[in-house]
Formats: sequence, C-alpha cells, structure tokens
Amino acid sequence: AQSVTQPDIHITVSEGASLELRCNYSYGATPYLFWYVQSPGQGLQLLLKYFSGDTLVQGIKGFEAEFKRSQSSFNLRKPSVHWSDAAEYFCAVGDTGGFKTIFGAGTRLFVKA
Amino acid sequence: EAGVAQSPRYKIIEKRQSVAFWCNPISGHATLYWYQQILGQGPKLLIQFQNNGVVDDSQLPKDRFSAERLKGVDSTLKIQPAKLEDSAVYLCASSPPGGAEKLFFGSGTQLSVL
Repeated sequence: AQSVTQPDIHITVSEGASLELRCNYSYGATPYLFWYVQSPGQGLQLLLKYFSGDTLVQGIKGFEAEFKRSQSSFNLRKPSVHWSDAAEYFCAVGDTGGFKTIFGAGTRLFVKA
Repeated sequence: EAGVAQSPRYKIIEKRQSVAFWCNPISGHATLYWYQQILGQGPKLLIQFQNNGVVDDSQLPKDRFSAERLKGVDSTLKIQPAKLEDSAVYLCASSPPGGAEKLFFGSGTQLSVL
C-alpha cells in the first residue's frame, strides 16, 4: 500500500534562508509524487509534481523538488524563503495515473524575520 | 476559470444531528473527490467519483456518511448522525479526464460537532 511520511511536524526558518522539507514515500512501482501548499483557511494548491524524466522538478513560487528512488524521497527545497511562504506543506503520492492520491501529515513552515 | 465551489464555509452542529456539504467541481472535470482533513493531519480520501459512479469509497464510514453525484457534476456529502470525531475540514477536489495529474481543491467546509 502506498504511504507518505513527512518527518518534520513543523520547521522554522529565517526569511532569506534556504529551506528543505523532507518527504519519504512507500509505493511498489514508480510513483506519481506531488507537493501541495495550504495557506490558512484555504484549499490545497499544487506546487509541483513528478511523474517521470528529470528527477529535479521545478514548481511555482521558486520551489523545486528532487526525486531520489534509492532513498524513496522527494524533498522540497527553496533557496531563499519569503515571509509569504509560511503555510502548511503536504507531500503526496499517487498510483499510476494518479487516480488515488495519498497525503502525508504535513509540515508547517514558520518564517521569522 | 472558476474554481471548485463548496458550501457552506462553516457549520456548527450538535452530535447526533445531520449535516450536508455541497461541491461544484470545475466544469469538465470528470473526477470528484471528498477528503476529510482533521486538525493537524493531512487530507484523507473519503470517496472518489468518476462521472456519477463511485471509484473508491473504501475509507468512507458508510454507517453514517453518504455521498452522491447524481448528474455527474455537483456532489453532496452527508453525515447522519454526526459524532464529535467528525469535526474536521471537508475538502472537495476535482481533476480533469485522464488522471489526477493535478487536483484542484475547494476552500473546504469547516465542521464543528459539539
């Protein structure tokens, strides 16, 4: 069965500092991988996705993620965090075709001035 | 392009009462999902529709939860009777034909059961 683990419940970074949010997945075949962001009181918005090809994927708002099959990881990165990036981030894994998407528990990002 | 519409935005009920949530997906999106997001957790899939047929309802507590999508467009999720542990945000999402390459989420309905 597919599953997603986000080891960090919350992370605090200073504005302008780099960010890395961890995600580990479990899936028997090549997974469809996603990162979503949720601002308070809002639905989830897709940041980026990986299906195949280049293992480093670029997303919106300056985010990128790298798929590492050997580590079953799909970590999200951003070189310089802005205060507006404070939100909850969810990693998700989908089956082939992405028909069933399972979400991790989320990592809440705090940004300090 | 209009997004996924959900109503109501908030709902407060007492336990054992019933409640219904409504979702109108993006036009042309064949697949519709209902997720339950309990505070501090990630969204959990309750039910998935493909047009007006159910694809997956394995995690739907069928003794109290029901959902329908009669005309393959909008959908209603109902809870009857509600329990305290049903307090959560109920998110509706839709995706275009061909697969869930991208889920489009509504803003959700926040349910508080007292």
